[in-house]
Parts: sequence; C-alpha cells; structure tokens
Amino acid sequence: KQEVTQIPAALSVPEGENLVLNCSFTDSAIYNLQWFRQDPGKGLTSLLLIQSSQREQTSGRLNASLDKSSGRSTLYIAASQPGDSATYLCAVSRNDMRFGAGTRLTVKP
Amino acid sequence: ETGVTQSPTHLIKTRGQQVTLRCSSQSGHNTVSWYQQALGQGPQFIFQYYREEENGRGNFPPRFSGLQFPNYSSELNVNALELDDSALYLCASSPPTVGEAFFGQGTRLTVV
Repeated sequence: KQEVTQIPAALSVPEGENLVLNCSFTDSAIYNLQWFRQDPGKGLTSLLLIQSSQREQTSGRLNASLDKSSGRSTLYIAASQPGDSATYLCAVSRNDMRFGAGTRLTVKP
Repeated sequence: ETGVTQSPTHLIKTRGQQVTLRCSSQSGHNTVSWYQQALGQGPQFIFQYYREEENGRGNFPPRFSGLQFPNYSSELNVNALELDDSALYLCASSPPTVGEAFFGQGTRLTVV
C-alpha cells in the first residue's frame, strides 16, 4: 500500500528565504507526482507535475525534483513571499492519487 | 476553457440524511475522481469514473456512490450520513492520458 509522508508538517520562515519541502513515498511504481497548494478551506491548485520519466520541473520560483528509485521528491521555493503562505501537498499517482498530509508554510513579512 | 466547478460550496445536513454533491469537469477531461479531506489531513481517494464507469475505489463503504454523465460531469451521493462524514469533498478531473489533475474548490459538508 502506497504511503506518502511530508516533512516538516509546519514551517515558518521570514520573507526572502529559500526553502525546501520534502515528500517521500513507499512504492516507486508511480506514473507521476504532483505538487499542490491549498489555501485554508479552499480547493487544490496544481503547481507542478513530474512524470515518472522526468527528474525535475520548474515554474517561476518553484522547482520540484523527483528521485523515483529512492521514493523522494522535493519542492524548492526561492525568495519566499508572504503570499506563498499556504499548505503544500504532494501526491503520487498510479491507479489513484495518494496524498501526504501536507506542509503548512507561513512566510512572515 | 472552464475549470472544474463543484456545487454547492457549503452544505449542512442532519445525521441519517442523504446528500448529493455535483462536479463539472474541465473541458476535454473524461476522468473524474472524488476525494474526502478531513481537517488537517490530506485528501483521501473515494472513487474514480472514466467514461461513465467506476474505475477504482478507495476504502469507503457502499453508502458512498457516484455517477458520471455523458458530458463527463459527475455526482457523489452519500446515504445515511454520519457525523464523521463532515469534511471537504473535492472533485478532480484529468485528461484521457495520464496527466495533470485539476481540482474544484470543494464542497464543505457539515453533518450535525
């Protein structure tokens, strides 16, 4: 059974810092991995999708990497801003999508 | 191109009642999945529909059921509501090939 873990559960940083969010999964037989952002009480906004054959994807200040063999992914956020404050979720897909519990990020002005 | 839309946004029901939640998938997407998200947790997979057929189911009892229509919109029905069914229900649609899933804004269900 696929288990997805996100570390840390919560993170508070001052504005401008670069930061890394971690995601690990137990079964490497995945089709893709997706990172999402969720604001309180809202739906999920897709940030980055990494196909199983890819190693990384970039979008603006965000960079996500995937090491399928070790069951790990990282989301790198450069020059963090208060507007980045949200919960970040990673999810791996094969027959269904399995989520971690998320990392709650607070960026202080 | 419209995104994934869910209705209603909020709902309050009494224990034992039945509820129907609705989802319109993104244009061109023929796969719809439903998730339940309890407070402080990640979404949990309920089931998936592909071309009007159930195509996978998570660890949820049979009182959770669904439908997908020819236009690929979908419904989630929950019978005999329990207090623990209180959660944010999320719908996601994805394209025919294995690709990016797009989520709606969710329906907040409160069972009292």
